[in-house]
Amino acid sequence: DVKVTQSSRYLVKRTGEKVFLECVQDMDHENMFWYRQDPGLGLRLIYFSYDVKMKEKGDIPEGYSVSREKKERFSLILESASTNQTSMYLCASRGYGYTFGSGTRLTVV
Amino acid sequence: DQQVKQNSPSLSVQEGRISILNCDYTNSMFDYFLWYKKYPAEGPTFLISISSIKDKNEDGRFTVFLNKSAKHLSLHIVPSQPGDSAVYFCAARARSFGNEKLTFGTGTRLTIIP
Repeated sequence: DVKVTQSSRYLVKRTGEKVFLECVQDMDHENMFWYRQDPGLGLRLIYFSYDVKMKEKGDIPEGYSVSREKKERFSLILESASTNQTSMYLCASRGYGYTFGSGTRLTVV
Repeated sequence: DQQVKQNSPSLSVQEGRISILNCDYTNSMFDYFLWYKKYPAEGPTFLISISSIKDKNEDGRFTVFLNKSAKHLSLHIVPSQPGDSAVYFCAARARSFGNEKLTFGTGTRLTIIP
């Protein structure tokens, strides 16, 4: 089975901090995605990557950046965390289908 | 601009009865539709899908119906079981220049009453 691992289940950060959310997949998939899930808004695509060092903006990229230095790892970066970035963050990898990680619940105080 | 909408935030159904979850979309370029199930503190897991060239797909207790003219799809679960209590997301796929991305709906929380 494909495994998508997000390094932290829960994070609490202060406003203005730089935050790194890490995601690793073990199936050599080329495509990886970052979503955030908010009540009443569903899952919204932040960024995705279809190859190493390649990235594409999703629907809500503002305030975020990403890094894909190795195929298995896709990092989401909050350059200066703000309270409206408090959310559940979900990473996904796509091979034949999509596999999601368990999520990181980030609270920005 | 929400391209995929689930207008019912929640739904309660008696165990053993049919659960019907609905989803509407606006983008005619979507060519594939999927349903995901999500438990708290877990990532979404794939449930069932349907290509835009079909109008029905069945897998055990789960059936998805697609009405392209109405831009509407629905998920039927019968009979409903307590383990079906979860949040359900519909998703639609669009392809562009060889890449694809999923657009998700807002989710419906299904509660099965024993």
